[in-house]
Formats: sequence, C-alpha cells, structure tokens
Amino acid sequence: ETGVTQTPRHLVMGMTNKKSLKCEQHLGHNAMYWYKQSAKKPLELMFVYNFKEQTENNSVPSRFSPECPNSSHLFLHLHTLQPEDSALYLCASSQDQTDEQFFGPGTRLTVL
Amino acid sequence: AQSVSQHNHHVILSEAASLELGCNYSYGGTVNLFWYVQYPGQHLQLLLKYFSGDPLVKGIKGFEAEFIKSKFSFNLRKPSVQWSDTAEYFCAVNAPRGSSASKIIFGSGTRLSIRP
Repeated sequence: ETGVTQTPRHLVMGMTNKKSLKCEQHLGHNAMYWYKQSAKKPLELMFVYNFKEQTENNSVPSRFSPECPNSSHLFLHLHTLQPEDSALYLCASSQDQTDEQFFGPGTRLTVL
Repeated sequence: AQSVSQHNHHVILSEAASLELGCNYSYGGTVNLFWYVQYPGQHLQLLLKYFSGDPLVKGIKGFEAEFIKSKFSFNLRKPSVQWSDTAEYFCAVNAPRGSSASKIIFGSGTRLSIRP
C-alpha cells in the first residue's frame, strides 16, 4: 500500500465506449502523473500535473483527456480508443516534480 | 534531450550470485537518479535514489548503486541475490528543481530472474 489508489483495477471497453480512470493519493503530494506501461516498452510518461496545473503533455493523442480537480485526485478520460491503447495505466504522485514518485497499482485496460 | 539506457533486458542468476545492472543516461546537467523495482503482481516502488553527496547510495533490501558522473552511469548492485529479488528493475533520471529539463525519463527496464 503506497497511499496511491486507482480504480478500476481492470477495465474492458469497446472502441466506441467512454470511460474514466480514477487516481487518488492520500500523501499530501503536489504532483501527480499518468503513465502507460506496455509489454516490452519503456514506461511512458503521459501527463504531469503540479498544483492542479498540467505541466507536461507528452504528445498524447486527444482520445486521452486528463483532469485534475484538486491535488489529491487525477482522472484519465478515455474515448474512441484503439486496440493498441491496451496497457497498464499507472498513476503516481510526488511531493514535487523532482522527488521520488509513489505509484498506484495500475488499471489494466483492454480495448476490444 | 534526456534519455536512459538499460542494456540488459533480461538477466538470469542463481541464488547467492552477485548482481550488477547497468544504467546510463544522457543529460549534460545535474541529475537526480532513481532505481525502482516492480515485484511480480505488485506496484512500482523506490529502491534507492541519488540527489547529491556520496555517490555510493544504499537502498532497501541490500541494494546499492554508484553514480559515476564521468561515465554518466548509475549501476545497481547487490553482492548476493535471493530468489525474492526476482522482479523488473527500472532506472530513472530527472533534473533537479529549477532546471529546464525536469521531466522524468525511465529506462526500458531489466527483468531479473533468480533460480532457486
């Protein structure tokens, strides 16, 4: 238990569906992150939020839409995904953007 | 641009063998360096980190890493591995607060398998 929770843990969706991933951190951190972890590929940083403001969008397709309503919550809204978007989506948080990150357990996403 | 290279994709060792996993990075300025570990079925967690000071850093579970600035390396070591060290290991680099390149970059990971 790292203090970072993610729901759902598993998600199967069709290409026309709209779904959202949720991340919550109970550590009082100021920075939150979304990563994509695919088999045989490096961990890919997708988005970074610092004090609720987006500071990094790593050329992520617009079918992924992040939302950070406050420093404790981070969402990833999904729509019209492709099968190649199937992966483990990890959320992390840190005190600031240069410090160690604490990771959640991830959401295993399968796009049919 | 920053980059991180982990040349060993899969390492297989017997218990009690010594371990060294390579990590090289490219970035011209001051860096913060990390090793994370992901045990089977578990979340990524920090093994150790280097920000400044003694370049030989000790982490949890008997791991250590040495920062060699001239070689742009931060190799992970353990003198005697155990079966429970079976996991995937990730090296990561970012720049300190105030630097222009503060985005964290992860290496591709090294899968470590320990034979009992």
